[in-house]
Amino acid sequence: DAGVIQSPRHEVTEMGQEVTLRCKPISGHNSLFWYRQTMMRGLELLIYFNNNVPIDDSGMPEDRFSAKMPNASFSTLKIQPSEPRDSAVYFCASTLSWGARDEKLFFGSGTQLSVL
Amino acid sequence: GESVGLHLPTLSVQEGDNSIINCAYSNSASDYFIWYKQESGKGPQFIIDIRSNMDKRQGQRVTVLLNKTVKHLSLQIAATQPGDSAVYFCAEILNDYKLSFGAGTTVTVRA
Repeated sequence: DAGVIQSPRHEVTEMGQEVTLRCKPISGHNSLFWYRQTMMRGLELLIYFNNNVPIDDSGMPEDRFSAKMPNASFSTLKIQPSEPRDSAVYFCASTLSWGARDEKLFFGSGTQLSVL
Repeated sequence: GESVGLHLPTLSVQEGDNSIINCAYSNSASDYFIWYKQESGKGPQFIIDIRSNMDKRQGQRVTVLLNKTVKHLSLQIAATQPGDSAVYFCAEILNDYKLSFGAGTTVTVRA
């Protein structure tokens, strides 16, 4: 298996532009997580999907952030409009079944987002 | 140990020596803990986990120790190798799906 695949690897955009990050979880995995990593705040959970349904989006910082999972093999995280403080590395992760307890989280390589 | 904010703990280890990475967790009710390794430009990678009904668990070259009395975790790496250079995070589970990650410890292996 190729693991969790994220695209793009790097994204540089200007403030106010829309940004879409993409994730393909490991085939057969039922849970998908979006995380954000910054030096100041570390790794933060943004949203958690199980069987394509958003279970917890309390970590989504603002209404400018939205996430979708139209099917079991694809998810997007969209920021509209983007702001410089959104600059971070965004990770997608998946697990085989429900949640993270007793499950290995498999992380993608991340998308490095820079908003100028 | 773990720190808050920008100042990440660092550990410099001679190749072949054993490494010990420490972590303090916050929630006495947490019953599941994980260690992750993150290499430069990559996502975190699962190393080993431990449930709160255990105080020690061993993997390949790694051992995790859990002291619930003082809410402390440690990761021991035996015979540290250059490929062990990375940032190491401990995480505690807050509910079935939400993990709280520590700030991370940067390990540098000297040849």
